[in-house]
Amino acid sequence: GEDVEQSLFLSVREGDSSVINCTYTDSSSTYLYWYKQEPGAGLQLLTYIFSNMDMKQDQRLTVLLNKKDKHLSLRIADTQTGDSAIYFCAEINNYQLIWGAGTKLIIKP
Amino acid sequence: DADVTQTPRNRITKTGKRIMLECSQTKGHDRMYWYRQDPGLGLRLIYYSFDVKDINKGEISDGYSVSRQAQAKFSLSLESAIPNQTALYFCATSDPTGLGTQYFGPGTRLLVL
Repeated sequence: GEDVEQSLFLSVREGDSSVINCTYTDSSSTYLYWYKQEPGAGLQLLTYIFSNMDMKQDQRLTVLLNKKDKHLSLRIADTQTGDSAIYFCAEINNYQLIWGAGTKLIIKP
Repeated sequence: DADVTQTPRNRITKTGKRIMLECSQTKGHDRMYWYRQDPGLGLRLIYYSFDVKDINKGEISDGYSVSRQAQAKFSLSLESAIPNQTALYFCATSDPTGLGTQYFGPGTRLLVL
């Protein structure tokens, strides 16, 4: 079946850039997503990228897509304490989202 | 007001009890979903519904049932709760465009003793 993989934890210093990586298996996915889950809350869409794009930038967020390697990354510039959260990568397959396990971003002072 | 609401937010129950988790949405979306979240496993789909007359099993439907009472309401039942159903449960909605954006409720934290 389809699978989305990401590492469970990432620790960065405040002010540094964070890069969260994800690999997926379905090359036919039209959209790939990053969702953010803050402590005690539900998931919220952070950003998405259409499959014919290589890069998408939105303020401090940069999404890179390598379709050949089926690799998606989320870069957060100038990481702040408010960025502490779990970040989920997801791909769409038959109108359903296939989710990664989530990467917990830990910010060190 | 929140677009997707879930009740209760927290629940403690005993093994063998029947419980119902409720979800309501004001987004006017036809599609609704129930997920459970366990640490290190991400989100797993329990059931989904593309309209009031359409109910589909997800990846982990055993031990659960659902009811789509109206476009805006989708409830999840555990007929006989067991401890390994202890988890965080999320309801979500989406519209039928190809974008796939889902909107989540705040979650229900369930503990089965």
